Amino acid sequence: QQQVKQSPQSLIVQKGGISIINCAYENTAFDYFPWYQQFPGKGPALLIAIRPDVSEKKEGRFTISFNKSAKQFSLHIMDSQPGDSATYFCAAGSGYSSASKIIFGSGTRLSIRP
Amino acid sequence: GAVVSQHPSWVICKSGTSVKIECRSLDFQATTMFWYRQFPKQSLMLMATSNEGSKATYEQGVEKDKFLINHASLTLSTLTVTSAHPEDSSFYICSASHPAGVENEQFFGPGTRLTVL
Repeated sequence: QQQVKQSPQSLIVQKGGISIINCAYENTAFDYFPWYQQFPGKGPALLIAIRPDVSEKKEGRFTISFNKSAKQFSLHIMDSQPGDSATYFCAAGSGYSSASKIIFGSGTRLSIRP
Repeated sequence: GAVVSQHPSWVICKSGTSVKIECRSLDFQATTMFWYRQFPKQSLMLMATSNEGSKATYEQGVEKDKFLINHASLTLSTLTVTSAHPEDSSFYICSASHPAGVENEQFFGPGTRLTVL
């Protein structure tokens, strides 16, 4: 059972364009939604995260849009750069404990064309 | 801050041998560490949750006798793959929760590439 569904599997965007990656979840107990960036051979790094009490969060060129009723959230990368080429994972977790688990989506391979 | 390291970064071993992977939180004490496995071009799958001084909690389908986890101190957790076989070849990644950080936030190590011949 895939608790966090992510799309698309791969994405090619021109430099300067907007990259959009979507995720949907099933478990209404989830209340923490992070996005991770992973380069080949490296561990994932947290980009940005959101709680369901807000519908949008922006940090620099990265924005999360959250739709609680639809159980969907998305990552928007503005002014995409070649250095943004990486695999992006959405994830979901519940609770406010440092021991809380998070479930990862299947990942999106993003390529930014110069 | 909140740096997590892993050692070794890569390891090659013969089938039937055991391999130990270390995960360290360098600048903070982590009461909870997590171990993930990632196959090529796939997502991260949680294997187990490791709490300092107690037994690890394994996810369904993960063999606890094959993947031994020891969280002996607040800065070190180890994963031992016992009697490794080629199907255990994978990228193993640990993460740690910062007790004073944002709730749920996990800091990931750089990963360990295991190849079993």
